[in-house]
Amino acid sequence: DTAVSQTPKYLVTQMGNDKSIKCEQNLGHDTMYWYKQDSKKFLKIMFSYNNKELIINETVPNRFSPKSPDKAHLNLHINSLELGDSAVYFCASTPQDHTGELFFGEGSRLTVL
Amino acid sequence: AQSVTQLDSQVPVFEEAPVELRCNYSSSVSVYLFWYVQYPNQGLQLLLKYLSGSTLVKGINGFEAEFNKSQTSFHLRKPSVHISDTAEYFCAVTPFSGYNKLIFGAGTRLAVHP
Repeated sequence: DTAVSQTPKYLVTQMGNDKSIKCEQNLGHDTMYWYKQDSKKFLKIMFSYNNKELIINETVPNRFSPKSPDKAHLNLHINSLELGDSAVYFCASTPQDHTGELFFGEGSRLTVL
Repeated sequence: AQSVTQLDSQVPVFEEAPVELRCNYSSSVSVYLFWYVQYPNQGLQLLLKYLSGSTLVKGINGFEAEFNKSQTSFHLRKPSVHISDTAEYFCAVTPFSGYNKLIFGAGTRLAVHP
């Protein structure tokens, strides 16, 4: 039973389209994240939600809109996709004990043509 | 603000040789430190973490790391590597207080050759 699961795993789309990536965690964690990993493997935090409330919002274009319907889900919607959005997007979650450990999903590889 | 520098982007090594992957960090507040491993086409998996106490921490798969506060370093070591250790390794920090916000280094690609 996967702890942090993301769908889809692969996504190929044209520039200008709108797409969504879904994430669900069954660990009972309160905090969830989206990270972006670029082609050079660099990982950068994008957003974080704690109990459905946005707590971290890095300098991400407003074409990216996260949504958390409940604390077990954090979805990422991207409008007007651009070539530079091609990356692997990782969802992660962490418990409230603040030991810092994040539990990652397997990633969603987005390719914009 | 925090930043993490991984000093080597790639480390080639022969099987059964020892390896050290270097990590330095910068932070104006106290931080927790982590090493994560990413195997090809997979998510990240925690190798080990330093929260407090003994500065030498042991993790999974025979890895260990030593926290050096004066040098702001957290280097990862393994005395004898296997082919299966070939992966990308990421050093990361998060501040003690406030919300968890893992800041990652750029990663080190460990390539183990037979």
